[in-house]
Amino acid sequence: EDQVTQSPEALRLQEGESSSLNCSYTVSGLRGLFWYRQDPGKGPEFLFTLYSAGEEKEKERLKATLTKKESFLHITAPKPEDSATYLCAVPHAGNNRKLIWGLGTSLAVNP
Amino acid sequence: ETGVTQTPRHLVMGMTNKKSLKCEQHLGHNAMYWYKQSAKKPLELMFVYNFKEQTENNSVPSRFSPECPNSSHLFLHLHTLQPEDSALYLCASSQEGDTQYFGPGTRLTVL
Repeated sequence: EDQVTQSPEALRLQEGESSSLNCSYTVSGLRGLFWYRQDPGKGPEFLFTLYSAGEEKEKERLKATLTKKESFLHITAPKPEDSATYLCAVPHAGNNRKLIWGLGTSLAVNP
Repeated sequence: ETGVTQTPRHLVMGMTNKKSLKCEQHLGHNAMYWYKQSAKKPLELMFVYNFKEQTENNSVPSRFSPECPNSSHLFLHLHTLQPEDSALYLCASSQEGDTQYFGPGTRLTVL
């Protein structure tokens, strides 16, 4: 069964304390992995798409990496404004408009 | 207006009311989506429209009725809802099966 699992469920960091979020997936024939950021009560905001193992993408303090079984979202020297829920999703094997979503990691960065 | 817009942002309705949610995308995309987001659950895909044609209906109860008059506008008509339908309803758009971009959502409360 196609599945996306994110860990940890929640993470609390001090400002400047780097860490990583994990997204593991089981889907045949991966056709992309998406990372989104979601603030409370708002819609998800697109961050990255990764298509092949070994690919990396960066945006400010965030870097996303992809292997054949999982993706990591590395957060370097986070700031309080990085506090949000980070969601990961992959397209369903038979329908790339249908995304399989993880439950997300709720990140809190304390000043 | 840019991106994906949704109105209203908040809606409170009784179980016997009829209301509609509206979504508009300004990205020139050809696919539009309705999602339901509830606490402790992954995003649930409800409907997908491609070039105004419904291509996905994930066993959504008939009290939710979508309408897509053109590729830029999407509606979700609501009637005789249940309290368990209270959630954040998100609209998204994409070009084919590429990255989905989300609106801010409508927070629905059913009394």
